Amino acid sequence: SQKIEQNSEALNIQEGKTATLTCNYTNYSPAYLQWYRQDPGRGPVFLLLIRENEKEKRKERLKVTFDTTLKQSLFHITASQPADSATYLCALDDSWGKLQFGAGTQVVVTP
Amino acid sequence: EPEVTQTPSHQVTQMGQEVILRCVPISNHLYFYWYRQILGQKVEFLVSFYNNEISEKSEIFDDQFSVERPDGSNFTLKIRSTKLEDSAMYFCASRRDRVNTEAFFGQGTRLTVV
Repeated sequence: SQKIEQNSEALNIQEGKTATLTCNYTNYSPAYLQWYRQDPGRGPVFLLLIRENEKEKRKERLKVTFDTTLKQSLFHITASQPADSATYLCALDDSWGKLQFGAGTQVVVTP
Repeated sequence: EPEVTQTPSHQVTQMGQEVILRCVPISNHLYFYWYRQILGQKVEFLVSFYNNEISEKSEIFDDQFSVERPDGSNFTLKIRSTKLEDSAMYFCASRRDRVNTEAFFGQGTRLTVV
């Protein structure tokens, strides 16, 4: 069966450092992969989308990579700030429009 | 900035009662979705809707669930006879295109079945 795995342990990081989150998947060949941010009690908010033929995508302090051979995506937050504290969700996009989410990784940035 | 709006933000209902969760997707979007998130768990796909019909549904979306777009702007999720295990956060989402676009999520309706 299809599985999407994200680090279940919270990532505690000092302000200014780079946070790196991992998303691994099995039994799946997504055309696109997306990353969302979710704050407690709120809906997911879109951050980045990367296509299967793209290796890397950047947006401001965010960077995502997508390795379809390893079946893995890495999500980086550079120069992290306390306001970046949230849960980050990886979502596989099957080109039929449905998103399949991982369980998310909580990031805590301390001053 | 355009947004997806959901009402109510919180609904408490007795087991066995019917509930209707309402959503107003972004106006020029064509693809609509419902997801749910049980407390502490991941966001799960329920159903997708396009051109006034269901395009895909998950195993969770059984005969107790239905969706409707009654008037061209609202998008509703009905649960006919709620169960305790239906307690969750329900998110509506919309997308401009089926592929290669972001999904916009509403703030959710927290459904509590007692």
